[in-house]
Amino acid sequence: NAGVMQNPRHLVRRRGQEARLRCSPMKGHSHVYWYRQLPEEGLKFMVYLQKENIIDESGMPKERFSAEFPKEGPSILRIQQVVRGDSAAYFCASSPMASGSHEQYFGPGTRLTVT
Amino acid sequence: KNEVEQSPQNLTAQEGEFITINCSYSVGISALHWLQQHPGGGIVSLFMLSSGKKKHGRLIATINIQEKHSSLHITASHPRDSAVYICAALRVNYGGATNKLIFGTGTLLAVQP
Repeated sequence: NAGVMQNPRHLVRRRGQEARLRCSPMKGHSHVYWYRQLPEEGLKFMVYLQKENIIDESGMPKERFSAEFPKEGPSILRIQQVVRGDSAAYFCASSPMASGSHEQYFGPGTRLTVT
Repeated sequence: KNEVEQSPQNLTAQEGEFITINCSYSVGISALHWLQQHPGGGIVSLFMLSSGKKKHGRLIATINIQEKHSSLHITASHPRDSAVYICAALRVNYGGATNKLIFGTGTLLAVQP
């Protein structure tokens, strides 16, 4: 059973370009979470999704950021018109549906550098 | 004040020493994670616990729900234990749907040979 997968592992974008980060949850997991780790800072929650639904996006910046988790395929975190301040490590995590188990399993992260 | 506080922020130990990292939280939680992150690396979940104590190899995690406090212990520490250790609280879900984690700022551990 493969773990949570994220790609790309490293992404370099120029200011103004778009960044698309992908997260494939563990098999059988239908809950996905995105977290951001800014340089020299701790992890911060961004968004929580279930299949085809955004459940909690209270940690997402209001502009330029969006997330989706379609019925088929990976979850996508999309950042439009990137700025230098978007440079960070973006981690996704997944957890099983229901059953009361909320343990989250983390992916290896995508390190975004905006030049 | 952060909702999840860790101490110490930095810790240097000699190989073989017993290490304790503390975590206090001020929110209602349903569970608490201890995570490990190597520099530039990914995040590994070490424990998730909601009561009592868990042990895995040389690692032990305890939680006291009444005191809102958790500890991570490493016995017989080794240089390969050098990493950032992060506690993360899973906020109580009051009928809402969110399962988001609230993170401490991490403890940077360096174990010297």
